[in-house]
Amino acid sequence: KAGVTQTPRYLIKTRGQQVTLSCSPISGHRSVSWYQQTPGQGLQFLFEYFSETQRNKGNFPGRFSGRQFSNSRSEMNVSTLELGDSALYLCASSLDREAQAFGSGTRLTVV
Amino acid sequence: KNEVEQSPQNLTAQEGEFITINCSYSVGISALHWLQQHPGGGIVSLFMLSSGKKKHGRLIATINIQEKHSSLHITASHPRDSAVYICAVREYGNKLVFGAGTILRVKS
Repeated sequence: KAGVTQTPRYLIKTRGQQVTLSCSPISGHRSVSWYQQTPGQGLQFLFEYFSETQRNKGNFPGRFSGRQFSNSRSEMNVSTLELGDSALYLCASSLDREAQAFGSGTRLTVV
Repeated sequence: KNEVEQSPQNLTAQEGEFITINCSYSVGISALHWLQQHPGGGIVSLFMLSSGKKKHGRLIATINIQEKHSSLHITASHPRDSAVYICAVREYGNKLVFGAGTILRVKS
């Protein structure tokens, strides 16, 4: 059974640009959550999707958005990138709030 | 004060030692997770528990809901156990809140 796949693995963007990250959950998993990890703030919850609906949202500005498709694949978008958005972005999937399976993450660097 | 506090922040042990990592939280929760993160970023979910105790191999996790405290124990530690161990709680609002992590290094 394939694990959670995140693409791309690494990304370098310029301040002010926008970026889209992709997450393919484990087959059959309908819940997808996104997290941001930085050295200063640690792991922080961004949002959670279940069956194409955003079920929960963390304390991030509106520049961070996401969506989930009918096949449970999810994307997150960050607009007007700031230097502070440089982080490891992790996606995790589960059947429905059980133990989550994490992807390897996308490391975003904003220059 | 953070909602989830872990201790210690750093831990160095000799191979074979018994290790305990603690997690205290201040909010009502529906479940608590223990995660392991190796260098390079990959995170593995070790346990999800809402009461009592769970065991998997050399790892044991316990939770005391009344005291809002959980512990992760590693018996007969090995250098491959070296990683960051993260406690996370799922609040009743269903948001997952993470501790800062415990950096464990096991020396041979």
